[in-house]
Amino acid sequence: EVQLLESGGGLVQPGGSLRLSCAASGFTFHNYAMNWVRQAPGKGLEWVSAVTGDGVSTYYAGSVQGRFTISRDNSKNTLYLQMDSLRTEDTALYYCAKVMSNYAPFDNWGQGTLVTVSS
Amino acid sequence: EIVLTQSPATLSLSPGERATLSCRASQNINSFLAWYQQKPGQAPRLLIYDSSNRASGVPARFSGSGSGTDFTLTISSLEPEDFAIYYCQQRKSWPITFGQGTRLEIK
Repeated sequence: EVQLLESGGGLVQPGGSLRLSCAASGFTFHNYAMNWVRQAPGKGLEWVSAVTGDGVSTYYAGSVQGRFTISRDNSKNTLYLQMDSLRTEDTALYYCAKVMSNYAPFDNWGQGTLVTVSS
Repeated sequence: EIVLTQSPATLSLSPGERATLSCRASQNINSFLAWYQQKPGQAPRLLIYDSSNRASGVPARFSGSGSGTDFTLTISSLEPEDFAIYYCQQRKSWPITFGQGTRLEIK
């Protein structure tokens, strides 16, 4: 059974940093691209970032380009999202999601970790 | 960036009725469209991929169709557990984008 468990969320001041983690199990982690998707309170889904299975290629939404960095450690079956220069509009529930094939769709999701950016 | 526009924003129907949800892309995305269902307090669940393929474990009452710019998710006969928010998603080009969602509510 595929399991994705996010952690690292919390309250941070504008301009601050946070690092999210997603521990994966139940599948061959390095064979699949992984994604971060966020959902602001009461709002829809917004794709944030993707990384290939080997970690070589990364992709970002324009809203986070230059501030967020996605990475993975295949030896630990863990996905990361380093978030710097956080803004109030980054407040959201952050999901990690596994792809079915290629870069989408996303066939397995974690339960999310909440990031709140506020002074 | 490819914009996905879903309609209607809210759909009010009764159990047993047929639901038709629409997703329109701002440019041709071939058949690279997926549909997700999200219930309150839960992560999204993949229903349909590549326009018309049901994901594993998805009931046959869910079906998808379309290609190019116009897509439809149909629920043939609504069950009580189908009332939720539905999102479409394209993977034709970066960035991956989602529609704004259609809320399916009980009438």
